[in-house]
Amino acid sequence: GESVGLHLPTLSVQEGDNSIINCAYSNSASDYFIWYKQESGKGPQFIIDIRSNMDKRQGQRVTVLLNKTVKHLSLQIAATQPGDSAVYFCAENLGGSQGNLIFGKGTKLSVKP
Amino acid sequence: EAQVTQNPRYLITVTGKKLTVTCSQNMNHEYMSWYRQDPGLGLRQIYYSMNVEVTDKGDVPEGYKVSRKEKRNFPLILESPSPNQTSLYFCASSPGYGLAGVDTQYFGPGTRLTVL
Repeated sequence: GESVGLHLPTLSVQEGDNSIINCAYSNSASDYFIWYKQESGKGPQFIIDIRSNMDKRQGQRVTVLLNKTVKHLSLQIAATQPGDSAVYFCAENLGGSQGNLIFGKGTKLSVKP
Repeated sequence: EAQVTQNPRYLITVTGKKLTVTCSQNMNHEYMSWYRQDPGLGLRQIYYSMNVEVTDKGDVPEGYKVSRKEKRNFPLILESPSPNQTSLYFCASSPGYGLAGVDTQYFGPGTRLTVL
């Protein structure tokens, strides 16, 4: 697949462990956030989203935490599996600017069997 | 099968030769968007469209044009490509509901463009 993750921060975890991927967003007026997963050679895939009136949202094996005070977003993956190996991006939407998404630069997650 | 398709998947061209990358979705989505992805820079939004005949600039619109004459298609046009437009391009679509108007975006497979 195409290499789109040169010089990305990398997180390496053991299979079965929990993973935490962090993201610092840029604009305090952003009110909607999304996490995407991108596997090698593929387009990004939606994982989970959260609105600014929440500080936590859970999905299947994933949890997103939002700390608006420090403009920080995190994605927690429980019981990480080899299939979770990918590049993870956070994206923010500026309130009142429907449709405009700003992506972070991404974190590469490597899962060791 | 619900999907976003892009054509071509790979393209090598020369500076100044106009090209169009097509994007089509079969999910009756209102929202469509184009992104470019470059190493170390992540995804950057080029243009987006909230509905037919409505298009808006993203963060890096210079050198690109789009049109949204019908709901299913959102072509990306490079009138005079330059080497700095060499990149991996993704089209995406979304139902368009919700606060941000983007919600769950479905991405196409990507188009690798090289401009010599």
